[in-house]
Amino acid sequence: DVKVTQSSRYLVKRTGEKVFLECVQDMDHENMFWYRQDPGLGLRLIYFSYDVKMKEKGDIPEGYSVSREKKERFSLILESASTNQTSMYLCASSSHPAMYEQYFGPGTRLTVT
Amino acid sequence: EDQVTQSPEALRLQEGESSSLNCSYTVSGLRGLFWYRQDPGKGPEFLFTLYSAGEEKEKERLKATLTKKESFLHITAPKPEDSATYLCAVRNTGGFKTIFGAGTRLFVKA
Repeated sequence: DVKVTQSSRYLVKRTGEKVFLECVQDMDHENMFWYRQDPGLGLRLIYFSYDVKMKEKGDIPEGYSVSREKKERFSLILESASTNQTSMYLCASSSHPAMYEQYFGPGTRLTVT
Repeated sequence: EDQVTQSPEALRLQEGESSSLNCSYTVSGLRGLFWYRQDPGKGPEFLFTLYSAGEEKEKERLKATLTKKESFLHITAPKPEDSATYLCAVRNTGGFKTIFGAGTRLFVKA
């Protein structure tokens, strides 16, 4: 079974802090994704990566950056956390070249105070 | 603009009461339509991919169908453990993104 793990289940940070969320997958998938999920809005794509050191912006990249130095690891960075970044953050991976079905991690519930 | 709309927002059923969830979509060209299940506090779990109108897929009490404008997730004789949020998503032929709907929250009472 595909396993996608995220570094924290719950995280509380202060406004202005730099925040790192890490995601690791164990199935040698090429593609990895970061989403945020907010009530009534569904999942919104922040960034995705189709190869090591490659990244593409999603729908809402502002205030975020990403890093993929190794194939199995994809990090999301909040450069200066703000209260409107309080959300559930979900990492996913996919092996299909056309990025079909995705496999998700358990999520990180981030609260910025 | 590509769009996915799910209805109803919430559905309450008695155990054994069959029903359907709807996913309407607008997409320039459909590469695939996906159904996921999400339990509270967890990440979505992949259920099905449908590629073309007329296609159907089944898994236990769930059956997904696809037309050119919508997909249905039929739940036959549901059990309390089927309670979850069901997400629909589409992938178009031109871009790289998967577009998700807001989900339908299903509650099944024993």
